[in-house]
Amino acid sequence: DADVTQTPRNRITKTGKRIMLECSQTKGHDRMYWYRQDPGLGLRLIYYSFDVKDINKGEISDGYSVSRQAQAKFSLSLESAIPNQTALYFCATSDQGVGETQYFGPGTRLLVL
Amino acid sequence: SQQGEEDPQALSIQEGENATMNCSYKTSINNLQWYRQNSGRGLVHLILIRSNEREKHSGRLRVTLDTSKKSSSLLITASRAADTASYFCATEGSGAGSYQLTFGKGTKLSVIP
Repeated sequence: DADVTQTPRNRITKTGKRIMLECSQTKGHDRMYWYRQDPGLGLRLIYYSFDVKDINKGEISDGYSVSRQAQAKFSLSLESAIPNQTALYFCATSDQGVGETQYFGPGTRLLVL
Repeated sequence: SQQGEEDPQALSIQEGENATMNCSYKTSINNLQWYRQNSGRGLVHLILIRSNEREKHSGRLRVTLDTSKKSSSLLITASRAADTASYFCATEGSGAGSYQLTFGKGTKLSVIP
């Protein structure tokens, strides 16, 4: 969905390096999410934010941090990357309320060597 | 831990046949959503069914929900090669921590022309 963009789309990095994944959205949604996807495990929630001043840990937040710079921007950082953080990372957004559809970005494929 | 579990993990059918995928979950929900993912791409929302609904249709899609059995099914009728993708169910819980979606591991559907 072009309304949700992620950069970079692919990244190779080395163990111990700091890396930031960025997400921008033009949908005007307050809620933003970061997920990781591993083969055979589906999507797991890392962090989510319901507005600029709200940050919440998800199921697997250890080793990650986030920053909500503006309503439209939500960044995910790996302070010291490790090989088991190799995965496909997705950003998503949704509007307020119960039962809202989430709109996903195209994903960032990260390889940690 | 993941809420939804899809069954089967993989499904291969001939074009024109119907495809049925099932999802089971563990806790009370506000709604259940189905998403589709083409290989390596972002997820796309297909359909949402609320906890007080039993069946919903959208084009060639039919979703059922049985809250007493904590299960849902997605039926794709008259399948096409373009339906080849992975399909995920996602549940929005009704308790604390709502407004998050918990995804299953997905069913990989292959439609053979």
